Amino acid sequence: ETGVTQSPTHLIKTRGQQVTLRCSSQSGHNTVSWYQQALGQGPQFIFQYYREEENGRGNFPPRFSGLQFPNYSSELNVNALELDDSALYLCASSLKSTARGQGRGTGELFFGEGSRLTVL
Amino acid sequence: GQQLNQSPQSMFIQEGEDVSMNCTSSSIFNTWLWYKQDPGEGPVLLIALYKAGELTSNGRLTAQFGITRKDSFLNISASIPSDVGIYFCAGQNYGGATNKLIFGTGTLLAVQP
Repeated sequence: ETGVTQSPTHLIKTRGQQVTLRCSSQSGHNTVSWYQQALGQGPQFIFQYYREEENGRGNFPPRFSGLQFPNYSSELNVNALELDDSALYLCASSLKSTARGQGRGTGELFFGEGSRLTVL
Repeated sequence: GQQLNQSPQSMFIQEGEDVSMNCTSSSIFNTWLWYKQDPGEGPVLLIALYKAGELTSNGRLTAQFGITRKDSFLNISASIPSDVGIYFCAGQNYGGATNKLIFGTGTLLAVQP
């Protein structure tokens, strides 16, 4: 039990539609990252949000966008869905320290159960 | 996208046997993490390593951060049926702009009672 919750757990969309996935981070964490995991592969980094701003992005097109809210929860939005967007979308929360001498613990990411998206 | 090389790809063992798996990268990392993922669930953090040469244990699990900083190893001793799942390594350059993880290709472990 990581304390990271995601919704919905499963959803089915058709090509061209838009989807919004939601994530509540673990208490005390201020950073949220999103990963896409295709069947049979390891998770791939989509982007990271810290202080309500995107501060890092993987190799994903602009139709993948996100938000982080003041309570550190986050949304992932995908527009113009394509068949290849079918995957498990994972949210991970972590603590990014703003103080000097960051502790070792902030390297650790804790994942939610994921949202399984199927695009038909 | 970039993925680290994990081996073996899959393992089928008897309960009680020891297991070893490894992960290699073409680039260096300053942090290595190992996760376990059950079907339909998110990855669960097992062990985090922060220093080259570091050896860290978590119960029956032991992981090592390779001296070259380009590899890591995970050992499971006296396997039990609940060890079944997919094990992923992940490399990270913690302290950079992001703390993104680069995951390995995964090792599927099956344990026969």
